[in-house]
Amino acid sequence: EAAVTQSPRSKVAVTGGKVTLSCHQTNNHDYMYWYRQDTGHGLRLIHYSYVADSTEKGDIPDGYKASRPSQENFSLILELASLSQTAVYFCASRTGRTEVFFGKGTRLTVV
Amino acid sequence: GDSVTQTEGQVALSEEDFLTIHCNYSASGYPALFWYVQYPGEGPQFLFRASRDKEKGSSRGFEATYDKGTTSFHLRKASVQESDSAVYYCALGGANTGKLTFGDGTVLTVKP
Repeated sequence: EAAVTQSPRSKVAVTGGKVTLSCHQTNNHDYMYWYRQDTGHGLRLIHYSYVADSTEKGDIPDGYKASRPSQENFSLILELASLSQTAVYFCASRTGRTEVFFGKGTRLTVV
Repeated sequence: GDSVTQTEGQVALSEEDFLTIHCNYSASGYPALFWYVQYPGEGPQFLFRASRDKEKGSSRGFEATYDKGTTSFHLRKASVQESDSAVYYCALGGANTGKLTFGDGTVLTVKP
């Protein structure tokens, strides 16, 4: 079974502070993704990566940066957290034409 | 851009009822279509996919048929169980990048 591990599982951040969400996969997958889920809505793609040291913008990249230092690790960075970034964030991975595997999510609350 | 519309935001059924969740999509080209299920405290889990017109995907008693003519991929199950209670997402995706565009989800509640 594919494994995608996110840390932390929940976090409270202060407005204007820096937040880093981490993701680790043991699947040897090429592609990794960061999605955001807001209450009552589906998931929206923030950033993705298909190879280490390279990232691509998704559908809602503003206010977020991503970093892929190795094939296994993919981070999402909020340089200046804002109230509107309160949400649940999901990391996912995939290789070839397989299904996309999601982590359990990180609940971020910005106060 | 690409989009997915799920008509029902919430569905409440009793065990052994028939389930239909409507999904319509708008996309250029020929996307793959997916159904995902999400349980509380978990990430979405792949249910099944279909990649071409008239192809039927199925898993765990759920099924949906890709219909390019009506741009639909409706989820159906003949007899739901309480354990099917969850949020169901329809999604479309690019075959190469695997990027997914999700609908807003449908909360299914099944009463015993």
